[in-house]
Amino acid sequence: DAGITQSPRHKVTETGTPVTLRCHQTENHRYMYWYRQDPGHGLRLIHYSYGVKDTDKGEVSDGYSVSRSKTEDFLLTLESATSSQTSVYFCAISDRAETDTQYFGPGTRLTVL
Amino acid sequence: AQSVSQHNHHVILSEAASLELGCNYSYGGTVNLFWYVQYPGQHLQLLLKYFSGDPLVKGIKGFEAEFIKSKFSFNLRKPSVQWSDTAEYFCAVNGGATNKLIFGTGTLLAVQP
Repeated sequence: DAGITQSPRHKVTETGTPVTLRCHQTENHRYMYWYRQDPGHGLRLIHYSYGVKDTDKGEVSDGYSVSRSKTEDFLLTLESATSSQTSVYFCAISDRAETDTQYFGPGTRLTVL
Repeated sequence: AQSVSQHNHHVILSEAASLELGCNYSYGGTVNLFWYVQYPGQHLQLLLKYFSGDPLVKGIKGFEAEFIKSKFSFNLRKPSVQWSDTAEYFCAVNGGATNKLIFGTGTLLAVQP
């Protein structure tokens, strides 16, 4: 398995509170991604990064921000959590664009009450 | 915009039955195609991938998939399923000069002993 960890693995929070999820990789891969997984929707891309300090929006970026200050860390922040952001969040990494395989972390289950 | 369709949302099979899960995508250019599997409570793992060459791709655990360009399809097959194949299966497509994976909504496979 690729060296990807996510923290926390489970979190329960209340509406309106800020939440930060962390993805850490030991593979020195250039690309990192945040997805959310919801029943009936599969996985949807929230944001991705193509290098340190280089990020871009995905399909469902509203309400989320990201930061990448080091190659190995990619943070996802919910500035003010809402119940619609209750989901399972997966981080993924890949070494090159286009033809490279993405490898996924173990996921973070977030519940917003 | 690219999209991926998995028409079988929930499949129930008995052990030793044959499996075929459908995947169709909408993109007219060069595509890279993937099947991922998610066992209960686990993260996504790569089953197989197609980038170019032989359209019949063999993956792990006896799975294979066939890329049929004229039908925009990449169906997953296994001749004889086992109880341990119970999982959710996701088809994903990466088209053109982009590193963004588009996922289907997933197919939940339950194999009965």
